[in-house]
Amino acid sequence: GQNIDQPTEMTATEGAIVQINCTYQTSGFNGLFWYQQHAGEAPTFLSYNVLDGLEEKGRFSSFLSRSKGYSYLLLKELQMKDSASYLCAVRDYDYKLSFGAGTTVTVRA
Amino acid sequence: NAGVTQTPKFRILKIGQSMTLQCTQDMNHNYMYWYRQDPGMGLKLIYYSVGAGITDKGEVPNGYNVSRSTTEDFPLRLELAAPSQTSVYFCASRTDRGPPTEAFFGQGTRLTVV
Repeated sequence: GQNIDQPTEMTATEGAIVQINCTYQTSGFNGLFWYQQHAGEAPTFLSYNVLDGLEEKGRFSSFLSRSKGYSYLLLKELQMKDSASYLCAVRDYDYKLSFGAGTTVTVRA
Repeated sequence: NAGVTQTPKFRILKIGQSMTLQCTQDMNHNYMYWYRQDPGMGLKLIYYSVGAGITDKGEVPNGYNVSRSTTEDFPLRLELAAPSQTSVYFCASRTDRGPPTEAFFGQGTRLTVV
């Protein structure tokens, strides 16, 4: 099975940078995903890592180290609309997609 | 583009009643998933399917059943509803044939069991 850990809450100021860490223990690994979820809405895809290293998409970047079972999501130039829950998810060899509990990010003016 | 469609959006059930949550996708995706999300929590996998006629249990399958008779539809059945099944239910789908590799989610069904 999967064990996925991420912090419960983080607070940052508009314009700042926030890094959300995710550690996982898995019986098989076939990719790591980050999703954003605003309150009362469905999760939406942000990023995907299957190889070690950094993937950059505009203000959002995601990093993966498979040997350490570790990923982070970096949010730069924070905007008020970035206030949301960020979910780390791991896909295993059976193609199950398992989620962490999510990190609620609050952006303050 | 409809994507993943869930019905109903909201439902109140009495203890012991049964219902089916509908999920359909028009992207010809083989993989489909059902999750539940309790307040302030992440998503827990109930059942998933890798193609028509194939289903498998996730983390929390007890109290639920699924079927996958077509590629498009993946209904979730609740028998004998219990208050512990009060949650938001999300259906998701993804392709197994190259990018995009991420799962696409429906808008959710908010279920309350009283």
